[in-house]
Amino acid sequence: GGIITQTPKFLIGQEGQKLTLKCQQNFNHDTMYWYRQDSGKGLRLIYYSITENDLQKGDLSEGYDASREKKSSFSLTVTSAQKNEMAVFLCASSIAANTGQLYFGEGSKLTVL
Amino acid sequence: SQWGEENLQALSIQEGEDVTMNCSYKTYTTVVHWYRQDSGRGPALIILIRSNEREKRSGRLRATLDTSSQSSSLSITAAQCEDTAVYFCATNTGANTGKLTFGHGTILRVHP
Repeated sequence: GGIITQTPKFLIGQEGQKLTLKCQQNFNHDTMYWYRQDSGKGLRLIYYSITENDLQKGDLSEGYDASREKKSSFSLTVTSAQKNEMAVFLCASSIAANTGQLYFGEGSKLTVL
Repeated sequence: SQWGEENLQALSIQEGEDVTMNCSYKTYTTVVHWYRQDSGRGPALIILIRSNEREKRSGRLRATLDTSSQSSSLSITAAQCEDTAVYFCATNTGANTGKLTFGHGTILRVHP
């Protein structure tokens, strides 16, 4: 079996700061995703990448950049952290777009002071 | 509101009871995923039902799909304390786009 590793697990930043979250998968999956989960709410899609060198905006891409450096890694940047922002960012991968199961990482928790 | 922006719904039941969670979606989908999320973990797929299936079973889980009403349900038979988790449905909003959109989710608490 494979695993999705998200780093860091906890991230504390200052208002206005640029913050980057990283995600690695060893499933050899084509498609990777970044979702945001606010406390007590569902998941909202920020960016996804169908294959290496591809980048697609989700429903919540404003304020974020993403980069699919290679097939196994997908990073997400908060371009300017908002004060009192707190959310968990979840990375996921699937074998290919539209073929089924997403495998998720454990999440990266962001706190902005 | 956008799916995912809404607050999670909450259900509280006793061990041994059956429970059903519902999901309505707005756009065409070829598949409905049901995920379970345990506290502090990422979601994990528990059952997947395709648009050409009306019902799918896996152990104590049963998923249904009604494409005409754009709704799906997840039922758990004889719930156990370890079924306590958050449950989400998700749909692919357009064939071959790879875009999987999650519903608002249900917090299920099963009491002994």
